[in-house]
Amino acid sequence: AQSVTQLGSHVSVSEGALVLLRCNYSSSVPPYLFWYVQYPNQGLQLLLKYTSAATLVKGINGFEAEFKKSETSFHLTKPSAHMSDAAEYFCAVTAYGGSQGNLIFGKGTKLSVKP
Amino acid sequence: DAGVIQSPRHEVTEMGQEVTLRCKPISGHNSLFWYRQTMMRGLELLIYFNNNVPIDDSGMPEDRFSAKMPNASFSTLKIQPSEPRDSAVYFCASNFLSGSGEQFFGPGTRLTVL
Repeated sequence: AQSVTQLGSHVSVSEGALVLLRCNYSSSVPPYLFWYVQYPNQGLQLLLKYTSAATLVKGINGFEAEFKKSETSFHLTKPSAHMSDAAEYFCAVTAYGGSQGNLIFGKGTKLSVKP
Repeated sequence: DAGVIQSPRHEVTEMGQEVTLRCKPISGHNSLFWYRQTMMRGLELLIYFNNNVPIDDSGMPEDRFSAKMPNASFSTLKIQPSEPRDSAVYFCASNFLSGSGEQFFGPGTRLTVL
């Protein structure tokens, strides 16, 4: 069965510092992977997705993630944090591989950005 | 283009009352998902529909929960009777069955059961 583990429920960085949010997945079939962002009192918004094409995926707001099959990882990075990046971030994998079915979400990582 | 629409945005009710949450998916989408988000359990899938047909309802907590999708543009999630432990944010999401798997989320309904 597919699963997602996000290491660190809370990450704090200084403005301008590197952002690194970790995600490891378990999948018995080739996965489709996603990162979503949730701002307070809002729904989830897609940041980026991996759908078996390029392993380095670029998303909105300067975020990117790299799919590493050997490490079963899909970590999210941003070179320079901005105050507006403070939010909760969720990694997700499709439940059945490919594009079908529901998403399995990690527990989320809350990102704080210090001035 | 309107996104996924959910109503109400906030609901406060008393234990034992019936609660109905509503969702309008993005026009043209043919899959619809109901999720529940709590601090303790994170985001959990409750049920999803393909072409208005329920495919997986294994996440529905118990018989007090029911969901319907009478047509492609409307779905309801009903809790009867409601209990304080049902307090959570309920999200509806939709996508194309044959798309890239990306789901589009509504703003959520924050339910408080007193």
